[in-house]
Amino acid sequence: DQQVKQNSPSLSVQEGRISILNCDYTNSMFDYFLWYKKYPAEGPTFLISISSIKDKNEDGRFTVFLNKSAKHLSLHIVPSQPGDSAVYFCAVRGGTSYGKLTFGQGTILTVHP
Amino acid sequence: DTGVSQDPRHKITKRGQNVTFRCDPISEHNRLYWYRQTLGQGPEFLTYFQNEAQLEKSRLLSDRFSAERPKGSFSTLEIQRTEQGDSAMYLCASSLQGSSPLHFGNGTRLTVT
Repeated sequence: DQQVKQNSPSLSVQEGRISILNCDYTNSMFDYFLWYKKYPAEGPTFLISISSIKDKNEDGRFTVFLNKSAKHLSLHIVPSQPGDSAVYFCAVRGGTSYGKLTFGQGTILTVHP
Repeated sequence: DTGVSQDPRHKITKRGQNVTFRCDPISEHNRLYWYRQTLGQGPEFLTYFQNEAQLEKSRLLSDRFSAERPKGSFSTLEIQRTEQGDSAMYLCASSLQGSSPLHFGNGTRLTVT
């Protein structure tokens, strides 16, 4: 069973506009949520995180929102830039295993100039 | 370069052969993780170590897979009697204990022919 789902395989956005990437999870015991970015032929790179005691965390152009009641996580990128084009993964920690991260399937973001 | 280092970057092997991959984590990190990623999927957890102790292993992990971290520094992942279904990107990551994100290497791409 998939505990973390990214239901949109891809997203296409115009440069300068907002990109919104979504992630749903099933286990209310997850306590730490992260977003990673991955370019081809490279490993995932950490982007931003949020703990379950918060509902928003900002870092420059990136903001992560957490809605615990809906078990929903989103990443907002504004303004989007062509260099943001990559695969974005959400990841969660907690539940029955406190040490590891569980990843979603990823969303391919394409930002057009 | 003080990031996570993986060797080799690519490995092509014939079905039935054994392969071994190496990971050198960020030096001050005491946790080391192995993940596997196939096309269109997010990284899938295999196992992780805290120092030299292997703390968790995925239930999905075949007994053909074994990992070691003998001195709590670098780690090796061995796959015995490889099968075509083992073809994937094998990612290593490290972190500090606690609420810190995982830092990934660029992976070893395994192709089993």
